[in-house]
Amino acid sequence: QQQVKQSPQSLIVQKGGISIINCAYENTAFDYFPWYQQFPGKGPALLIAIRPDVSEKKEGRFTISFNKSAKQFSLHIMDSQPGDSATYFCAAPVRSNQFYFGTGTSLTVIP
Amino acid sequence: NAGVTQTPKFQVLKTGQSMTLQCAQDMNHEYMSWYRQDPGMGLRLIHYSVGAGITDQGEVPNGYNVSRSTTEDFPLRLLSAAPSQTSVYFCASSRLQRPDTEAFFGQGTRLTVV
Repeated sequence: QQQVKQSPQSLIVQKGGISIINCAYENTAFDYFPWYQQFPGKGPALLIAIRPDVSEKKEGRFTISFNKSAKQFSLHIMDSQPGDSATYFCAAPVRSNQFYFGTGTSLTVIP
Repeated sequence: NAGVTQTPKFQVLKTGQSMTLQCAQDMNHEYMSWYRQDPGMGLRLIHYSVGAGITDQGEVPNGYNVSRSTTEDFPLRLLSAAPSQTSVYFCASSRLQRPDTEAFFGQGTRLTVV
């Protein structure tokens, strides 16, 4: 039962390029959509999140875009760096504190 | 600042063996949860707890038990390990009753069942 569909599964980007990861959700308890970043051998950590009162949120080189009518949200990484190489998960809330996670995108940034 | 601590980091079990994965957090979070991470499947919720003495099932609870006797600890028990339980397990904690809460994850336990 896939509540959140994430694409692509893997992504290779040149240093300085733009990385784009997309997620689509079916249903959600409320509008709060976080992205988690996971480095090899580590647990996921919150990277950035968006609430419904805005359609876009930017933090440094990371931007979330949210399209409520299409039930889609995406993560854009501008000026991608080798240090951004990691797995990225989107998530959509089932209820307070509980989320469906996407299947993950493995990002590799080539120097 | 330890955050969420999981032990052990690695474990190999034989089919049919039982074991307990330990999880402890020092942030006084009410909500704790266990996930398993498998290639191409993302993070799937096994069990969760909203406070001491209260636990509930998640998406994939079969073959696992949990208990929550204190706010800090939330162990996950494998009753009779099966190869299908080979996975990386993550414990997470967060503050309760906040829709925009951040989940803090441990570093994971890589379990192999042979």
